[in-house]
Amino acid sequence: ETGVTQSPTHLIKTRGQQVTLRCSSQSGHNTVSWYQQALGQGPQFIFQYYREEENGRGNFPPRFSGLQFPNYSSELNVNALELDDSALYLCASSPGTSGSGSYNEQFFGPGTRLTVL
Amino acid sequence: GENVEQHPSTLSVQEGDSAVIKCTYSDSASNYFPWYKQELGKRPQLIIDIRSNVGEKKDQRIAVTLNKTAKHFSLHITETQPEDSAVYFCAARGWGSYIPTFGRGTSLIVHP
Repeated sequence: ETGVTQSPTHLIKTRGQQVTLRCSSQSGHNTVSWYQQALGQGPQFIFQYYREEENGRGNFPPRFSGLQFPNYSSELNVNALELDDSALYLCASSPGTSGSGSYNEQFFGPGTRLTVL
Repeated sequence: GENVEQHPSTLSVQEGDSAVIKCTYSDSASNYFPWYKQELGKRPQLIIDIRSNVGEKKDQRIAVTLNKTAKHFSLHITETQPEDSAVYFCAARGWGSYIPTFGRGTSLIVHP
């Protein structure tokens, strides 16, 4: 067990709605990254948070936003949901920021399966 | 940005055979290459990684090779077992970069 947990496990929303996904990092990890994994695809990097600040962002629109809290848990918020947002959303925590030049291993959570109808 | 191509998309082997999955990358600045295994309905898990100052790394039945000149790296699994059946992802990342780029995955099926 890696210690990274996510909630909820599954979620069904309709187009235009907003959704919040949650991630609890592994103990001692101060960096969290979020990924979108569409069916049959590899994970696509959304953004990373380090000590409560966004530390990098992939090619996703501003309606994808996030937060990291002092206890290093994290949220991913998606506004104005679109059908193409249906995917598995993964968070991954690591003990240090990737931007520091380190190769810290990322530990993935089990994911949240989001379906947009 | 980085682009990672992974082949094949599906690989079917008999138990005991070897399996090879290949990835190419485009950004010569990339110098960290992890491989993940994702079983059906489960989270991706790191199985092996290699850094650019190393040409080959082995861990029991799993090995990874890296050719920086050609910008490709490969995962080798020997003596495959049914429990090796999963989707395998390669990824590439540069020093100081926080954006790993993943391949599209290879579905490995090991027939008993």
